[in-house]
Amino acid sequence: LAKTTQPISMDSYEGQEVNITCSHNNIATNDYITWYQQFPSQGPRFIIQGYKTKVTNEVASLFIPADRKSSTLSLPRVSLSDTAVYYCLVGEPSNDYKLSFGAGTTVTVRA
Amino acid sequence: ETGVTQTPRHLVMGMTNKKSLKCEQHLGHNAMYWYKQSAKKPLELMFVYSLEERVENNSVPSRFSPECPNSSHLFLHLHTLQPEDSALYLCASSHTLGAVNEQYFGPGTRLTVT
Repeated sequence: LAKTTQPISMDSYEGQEVNITCSHNNIATNDYITWYQQFPSQGPRFIIQGYKTKVTNEVASLFIPADRKSSTLSLPRVSLSDTAVYYCLVGEPSNDYKLSFGAGTTVTVRA
Repeated sequence: ETGVTQTPRHLVMGMTNKKSLKCEQHLGHNAMYWYKQSAKKPLELMFVYSLEERVENNSVPSRFSPECPNSSHLFLHLHTLQPEDSALYLCASSHTLGAVNEQYFGPGTRLTVT
């Protein structure tokens, strides 16, 4: 499994855009990048997944540069309910079912 | 009911008790997982089942015993637990094994061992 590094915590205010960058220098050719969100005392929830360039859905955008050694999760116009832990995971489609969640980034949104 | 359900949501047990956690998925998935999340620690993968066969036993003590009678149900049998086993136990499922496959998590069982 490729090792990932992301900030321990980030603070933001309602209405702002939050960008969380994850480093994965030893990402393999077949690896995908996946982000999960976890609220306190709940299971993680899939947010977005990508392989290269940009992916966007109704919740977030994922930006992956050409070298794929990092990725940035972008949460537009956050609200208080976006306060959660965000995990960056890297794994190969068929072999890496052992997702390594790491410590994640605790995002706190304030009014 | 949809998604992944877990029962009970909360459990308090003594060290000599025997109890079981139940997980059920209504998504038609073939892979199921047990995770442990202790306070201030990352999620730890405990067991993985694919098509009812165990494919991973991640060095988990024998006081935790998983059972997967069919692809929709997963149990975690607990006996002679220790206080350090107090944690949130999460069940998840995915269509098949593989990192590309989204894992759907249940709400978890909050276990307290006294």
